[in-house]
Amino acid sequence: AQSVAQPEDQVNVAEGNPLTVKCTYSVSGNPYLFWYVQYPNRGLQFLLKYITGDNLVKGSYGFEAEFNKSQTSFHLKKPSALVSDSALYFCAVRDMSAGKSTFGDGTTLTVKP
Amino acid sequence: GAVVSQHPSRVICKSGTSVKIECRSLDFQATTMFWYRQFPKKSLMLMATSNEGSKATYEQGVEKDKFLINHASLTLSTLTVTSAHPEDSSFYICSARFEGIGNSPLHFGNGTRLTVT
Repeated sequence: AQSVAQPEDQVNVAEGNPLTVKCTYSVSGNPYLFWYVQYPNRGLQFLLKYITGDNLVKGSYGFEAEFNKSQTSFHLKKPSALVSDSALYFCAVRDMSAGKSTFGDGTTLTVKP
Repeated sequence: GAVVSQHPSRVICKSGTSVKIECRSLDFQATTMFWYRQFPKKSLMLMATSNEGSKATYEQGVEKDKFLINHASLTLSTLTVTSAHPEDSSFYICSARFEGIGNSPLHFGNGTRLTVT
C-alpha cells in the first residue's frame, strides 16, 4: 500500500519570504511523486513531478521540490513567496507499477502581503 | 497541454432526482479516468476508476448503484448521482492522464459543485 503525509494543515508565510510545504511518502517500489495546486472551486493543476535523476525538480511558477530517498520526503519549496501563491497544495505518490495515485490531505498555503 | 473539461461546473437539484456530470479529455485519449469527491478543505477521496468499454472499479464504501459511471468512449466518462440526497452535496472532480506514459501527471477537470436541496 502507498501513502502520503502532509503534516501541516496550514502554512503561513510573508510575501517575499521562502516557503516550504512538507510531504513524506510510503511506497513499496520506486515512486513517482507529484505536486498539485488547487485554487478555490477549481480542479487541481500539476506543478511538478519527480521520476528519476536529479533530486531537485523545478516546476511551474517558480516552485521546486527536493526528493530525499533516505527520508522519503518530497518537500515543495519556493525561494520568494507571492500573495498569488495562496492556495491548497497536494502531494501525490504513484508506484511505478500502480495505476492509482494517492494524495495527501492537502496543505493550505497563505501568503500575506 | 492536456485539457480535461468537466460539465456542469455547478448544479442544484432537488432531493430524489438524478444528476449527470460529464468529463471529457479534449486533446488526448484516456482509457482510464478517475472520479473524486472533495469535502470542504479536505483531501480528495477517490470514488472510482472509470475504464473505457468496461465496468468501473469502485473504491471500498462507494455505492456503485448510487454513483453510476459510464465510460463510453476514449474521451468521455460520465458520473450519474442517482436519487440524490443532501448528504451527496459535494465537489466532484474528474481526472485523466496520458495512456502508456506511466509517469504522466493527472489532468483534472475544474470540478462540479453539486448542491442537493
